[in-house]
Amino acid sequence: DAKTTQPPSMDCAEGRAANLPCNHSTISGNEYVYWYRQIHSQGPQYIIHGLKNNETNEMASLIITEDRKSSTLILPHATLRDTAVYYCIVRVYISGNTPLVFGKGTRLSVIA
Amino acid sequence: DTGVSQDPRHKITKRGQNVTFRCDPISEHNRLYWYRQTLGQGPEFLTYFQNEAQLEKSRLLSDRFSAERPKGSFSTLEIQRTEQGDSAMYLCASSLRPGLGQETQYFGPGTRLLVL
Repeated sequence: DAKTTQPPSMDCAEGRAANLPCNHSTISGNEYVYWYRQIHSQGPQYIIHGLKNNETNEMASLIITEDRKSSTLILPHATLRDTAVYYCIVRVYISGNTPLVFGKGTRLSVIA
Repeated sequence: DTGVSQDPRHKITKRGQNVTFRCDPISEHNRLYWYRQTLGQGPEFLTYFQNEAQLEKSRLLSDRFSAERPKGSFSTLEIQRTEQGDSAMYLCASSLRPGLGQETQYFGPGTRLLVL
């Protein structure tokens, strides 16, 4: 089962920041937080991941709370093309078995 | 396009028929994963390979499901005696296992199966 809790859906106005929350209260010290998104009828797309520190790349920023029990994915200037299901995944790195465990994610609708 | 490719993109079959899907990973990626996604759900892990070795197959849904990666490059997923409940999107992902740190899985577009 997924170890994360996300709201089922969110709306965001085009051009504004989209802040997608994720709760992972049972996260362990060796578990990373990953974010993927899935645009309709496509395969999931990697966005970003982090362990403790905040991370930023060309797509998004990831803010992880100090106790690591929750995180927020930030899309700084949402566009219509960011409409997708966003998955927050907690994943331990084990050399022998590293599948991703997806929940139902958050359906983000960016509105013009 | 140098991403993960899957073939076919769509497959319609009759119940009881066998189907085979192909996945071509990103060149030089040594890990290859198969997932299944049903409507309204996130992808569900099925099996994975490191090179030609199948390292995890206990999550395959039944003995009707099998996967191969004979030369450590492309992979096939076969479903025998298909049932209507097998209707889903079948996703393939590949990654390069790093010496240290995290690996990132890159997904293909998926094969959508409909069993009539």
